[in-house]
Amino acid sequence: AQKITQTQPGMFVQEKEAVTLDCTYDTSDPSYGLFWYKQPSSGEMIFLIYQGSYDQQNATEGRYSLNFQKARKSANLVISASQLGDSAMYFCAMREGLNNQGGKLIFGQGTELSVKP
Amino acid sequence: KAGVTQTPRYLIKTRGQQVTLSCSPISGHRSVSWYQQTPGQGLQFLFEYFSETQRNKGNFPGRFSGRQFSNSRSEMNVSTLELGDSALYLCASWDRARGETQYFGPGTRLLVL
Repeated sequence: AQKITQTQPGMFVQEKEAVTLDCTYDTSDPSYGLFWYKQPSSGEMIFLIYQGSYDQQNATEGRYSLNFQKARKSANLVISASQLGDSAMYFCAMREGLNNQGGKLIFGQGTELSVKP
Repeated sequence: KAGVTQTPRYLIKTRGQQVTLSCSPISGHRSVSWYQQTPGQGLQFLFEYFSETQRNKGNFPGRFSGRQFSNSRSEMNVSTLELGDSALYLCASWDRARGETQYFGPGTRLLVL
């Protein structure tokens, strides 16, 4: 069964330092997409980064990068140069199938990141 | 482009009542998904619509229903509200770009008393 696991309920990081948020997934579908979202206290889910299962290179979006290790089924989010505004909940999510095969995302339990000045 | 909008943003209802939540997707997006977020269960998929057709449904009772209109706007309805329905309801829309990345609205916070 498809599953997303985030083992870090909460993390602290010093401002301007890098931080890695862990995510492991389980699926038997060879085609899948992995996503990271940020949820501030306001509640809105903000898309950060996407990695497709067939992508050869790790995804990067500004200060966000995804450390994709397919054999280990892990998709860790790396935030470089943390800012105070990065304090939020972070969710890893997966969607099985690609190309218009359905829009059901499976989410992990989330990691609450706190950035200290 | 304007983002996903959801109305209302906050709602207070009492047990037994029904509620309708609305979602307007990003212009050009024809797919919409709904999710329920609670502290205990986390984020759970409710249902998904594409071109007015429900394509997928999560494991929720029949009290939860939805629909999509020809302009891609979507509504979800919860009948006979229970205390456990108190949650943040999130709507997301997407197209075929970027692995069908879903973009979320601000959510509707529903409190059932």
